[in-house]
Amino acid sequence: DADVTQTPRNRITKTGKRIMLECSQTKGHDRMYWYRQDPGLGLRLIYYSFDVKDINKGEISDGYSVSRQAQAKFSLSLESAIPNQTALYFCATSSATEAFFGQGTRLTVV
Amino acid sequence: EDQVTQSPEALRLQEGESSSLNCSYTVSGLRGLFWYRQDPGKGPEFLFTLYSAGEEKEKERLKATLTKKESFLHITAPKPEDSATYLCAVQAYGQNFVFGPGTRLSVLP
Repeated sequence: DADVTQTPRNRITKTGKRIMLECSQTKGHDRMYWYRQDPGLGLRLIYYSFDVKDINKGEISDGYSVSRQAQAKFSLSLESAIPNQTALYFCATSSATEAFFGQGTRLTVV
Repeated sequence: EDQVTQSPEALRLQEGESSSLNCSYTVSGLRGLFWYRQDPGKGPEFLFTLYSAGEEKEKERLKATLTKKESFLHITAPKPEDSATYLCAVQAYGQNFVFGPGTRLSVLP
C-alpha cells in the first residue's frame, strides 16, 4: 500500500461545483500539505497543517479550504470550482528531513 | 523571499552521456536542500537531502553536491530509465519547502 493515498485520481467537474479531494497517510507524521502543480510553475503550496489543530494558508490558498480530520487525514475542498483551478494536485506528509507525496489528483474544471 | 531556479528546463542525452543539472537558490538560513524525481503522472519521489556546503550524496548513477548558492545533480552514464523530471527544493529553518520548476530529462537509447 502507498504511504500517501489520494482520492480520486482523476476528476472532471463543472464550473461552480463543490469538490473535495481526500488524502490519507500511513507514515505517522504530523505534518501534511496540499500542493498544486502547473506546467512550468513547479509545486505551489495551498495549505499545510503541522498537527490536527493547526491549519495554515500557503502561497495560493484563495478559492480553497481544508479539513484535518485526523493525524492521517487531510482533505482539500474547492467550494466553487473555476477553470483556472484545473491542475495536478498533490498531498504530502513530511518528517523533519523528507517529504512523501501521493500519486496526485488530476482535476479538470470545465 | 526564498527562491529556487533550475537549469536547464529540459535536457536530452544519449544513453551513456554524462551531464549535470543545476539548482540555484536564495534562502535565509538553509536547513536542507532536497532532490526529487518525478515520473509523468506520479508524485515526486525523494532522492537526497543535503544540509551543508561541501556535502555530497550518491545513489546509483546519481550524485548530488551542494555549495552555498547552488546544488548539482550529476548523472553518470545515464540509462533510458533515468528519464524523468528532477525537482529541487529548499527549506529554511521554521519554513516550508520551496520547490523549483524542475528539469525534464530525456535519455535516448
